[in-house]
Amino acid sequence: AAGVIQSPRHLIKEKRETATLKCYPIPRHDTVYWYQQGPGQDPQFLISFYEKMQSDKGSIPDRFSAQQFSDYHSELNMSSLELGDSALYFCASKVVGVTYGYTFGSGTRLTVV
Amino acid sequence: SQQGEEDPQALSIQEGENATMNCSYKTSINNLQWYRQNSGRGLVHLILIRSNEREKHSGRLRVTLDTSKKSSSLLITASRAADTASYFCATEAQGGSEKLVFGKGTKLTVNP
Repeated sequence: AAGVIQSPRHLIKEKRETATLKCYPIPRHDTVYWYQQGPGQDPQFLISFYEKMQSDKGSIPDRFSAQQFSDYHSELNMSSLELGDSALYFCASKVVGVTYGYTFGSGTRLTVV
Repeated sequence: SQQGEEDPQALSIQEGENATMNCSYKTSINNLQWYRQNSGRGLVHLILIRSNEREKHSGRLRVTLDTSKKSSSLLITASRAADTASYFCATEAQGGSEKLVFGKGTKLTVNP
């Protein structure tokens, strides 16, 4: 069965650089969620999109932006990277209104040096 | 403030023993879910319990939900070394985008 695909798996950037993370949801899923998980921390909700429109926003820095495209894939853009942005970034997809467990991608590990 | 606080933060047991993890939350929920995460890897859905359910089983997993106390527990029976992982509860709040709010997780170590 198709899963949520994230790319890249690993990314190393220097401070003040820009990073773009990509998420390809399960086909026919209409909603994408982004989460950030720092070392030893729980996943924190960043932002979500429903049918290509932002549906909710969490603790996402102003330096970050995201969008969902016509093919439903989503990208998280992170600018002016800081050391504290080093984390695992997950996306998940689901069909809104249907009750079942979320499917998460394998994540992108971002290291800022 | 963060929902889904869990205890214990770490749990070490021997193979064959049972492991119990607890989770508390603060708002009204549609459902509560448990996820497993191997070190540095992705989150894997284990089990979901709806707000109108009190107990649910799946294989060696048993989940309870007490909405009056806003708490849940996950029991893993007859644990195996392969169960070693971090376990997170996550709540889906009523209304809104159906986003999940995660607790801080329990790190379970099962010793062979």
